[in-house]
Amino acid sequence: QQQVKQSPQSLIVQKGGISIINCAYENTAFDYFPWYQQFPGKGPALLIAIRPDVSEKKEGRFTISFNKSAKQFSLHIMDSQPGDSATYFCAASYYVGGKLIFGQGTELSVKP
Amino acid sequence: DAGVIQSPRHEVTEMGQEVTLRCKPISGHNSLFWYRQTMMRGLELLIYFNNNVPIDDSGMPEDRFSAKMPNASFSTLKIQPSEPRDSAVYFCASSLGTGHYGYTFGSGTRLTVV
Repeated sequence: QQQVKQSPQSLIVQKGGISIINCAYENTAFDYFPWYQQFPGKGPALLIAIRPDVSEKKEGRFTISFNKSAKQFSLHIMDSQPGDSATYFCAASYYVGGKLIFGQGTELSVKP
Repeated sequence: DAGVIQSPRHEVTEMGQEVTLRCKPISGHNSLFWYRQTMMRGLELLIYFNNNVPIDDSGMPEDRFSAKMPNASFSTLKIQPSEPRDSAVYFCASSLGTGHYGYTFGSGTRLTVV
């Protein structure tokens, strides 16, 4: 019940295309859903996060869509660029003493 | 701020040796987390501290692993004795608290046990 399941494992997108990564969770106590971006040789870095009281959050080319009833959330990268090539992790936690539980990661490659 | 600082960046050691990984969190952050990253298991939380006190060590694989946080600016993760299956990248992260705060990760320590 603590798991966060992420798909796909890897994704290849052409420059200018839309990248979509999906995550699903079981624990309804989760109430914070961040996405992290990791470049080779670096630690993950917070990209964008959402609370379940909204269905969508947008920051620049990055959008989180959240479906509370389905217990799913996704990251959309619009106008994908080669510089977006990285591994993306979804995560979830709950407020009181919550620790972040990470998905397995998606390796995104944006081809020029 | 220099961010979360981990040392060493790379460590190669022989099986059976003791390994100590070090972490300096961001000043003012009161929560510290140790994660291990492998291809097979992804990012696994090993242990986390709040105000220097260990809160949850359920992710520590076995008694060979131990972690300490003697003060707000320093933490160690020790493996003794090390085994080849401990080879991974170990990340330290800090945050203003648990729950709804973003974590800031260090650049990690790549450990290879031969």
